[in-house]
Amino acid sequence: AQKITQTQPGMFVQEKEAVTLDCTYDTSDPSYGLFWYKQPSSGEMIFLIYQGSYDQQNATEGRYSLNFQKARKSANLVISASQLGDSAMYFCAMTSGTYKYIFGTGTRLKVLA
Amino acid sequence: DADVTQTPRNRITKTGKRIMLECSQTKGHDRMYWYRQDPGLGLRLIYYSFDVKDINKGEISDGYSVSRQAQAKFSLSLESAIPNQTALYFCATSDGAGNEQFFGPGTRLTVL
Repeated sequence: AQKITQTQPGMFVQEKEAVTLDCTYDTSDPSYGLFWYKQPSSGEMIFLIYQGSYDQQNATEGRYSLNFQKARKSANLVISASQLGDSAMYFCAMTSGTYKYIFGTGTRLKVLA
Repeated sequence: DADVTQTPRNRITKTGKRIMLECSQTKGHDRMYWYRQDPGLGLRLIYYSFDVKDINKGEISDGYSVSRQAQAKFSLSLESAIPNQTALYFCATSDGAGNEQFFGPGTRLTVL
């Protein structure tokens, strides 16, 4: 069975510091995709970053990077130089096989001034 | 204009009422999804459709039904709403190639 686990319900980080949000996954499919979404207090879901299972390099998008450790089945999101606007809920998600998407329970990040 | 739209954005209804949530997209995607979000539970899949003639149940389909009226339209119905269906509902689309989903703005539904 496919599963996404986010073990950190809430995190705090000081402005301008880096923060890592944890995500582990489980799937038996050799081909899969991993995603991170941001949900600010306004409620919309914003796509941040994608990592394919066959990608050799870790994905990066601006201040976001995905620390992909395939053997450990982890796909942690690293946000560098945190900003107050990064305060939000963050969801890790996966798709594989039939292209259904499954989501973790989320991590609420609060950036402190 | 938004690529994925949902109507209504907010709705308060009473127990036992029938309600329909609508989703439209201009992405040209074949695949559409309905999720509900509850605090602490993330997004859970209600129904999904890979094309107009293909409808599939997700993990929490009981109490819900869907209709795929066209490639661009996918509606979710609650035949007889109950209070534990109070949640934030999202429609999403994807291109079928394993790329990211595109989400609508969400519908906040309250069942009294």
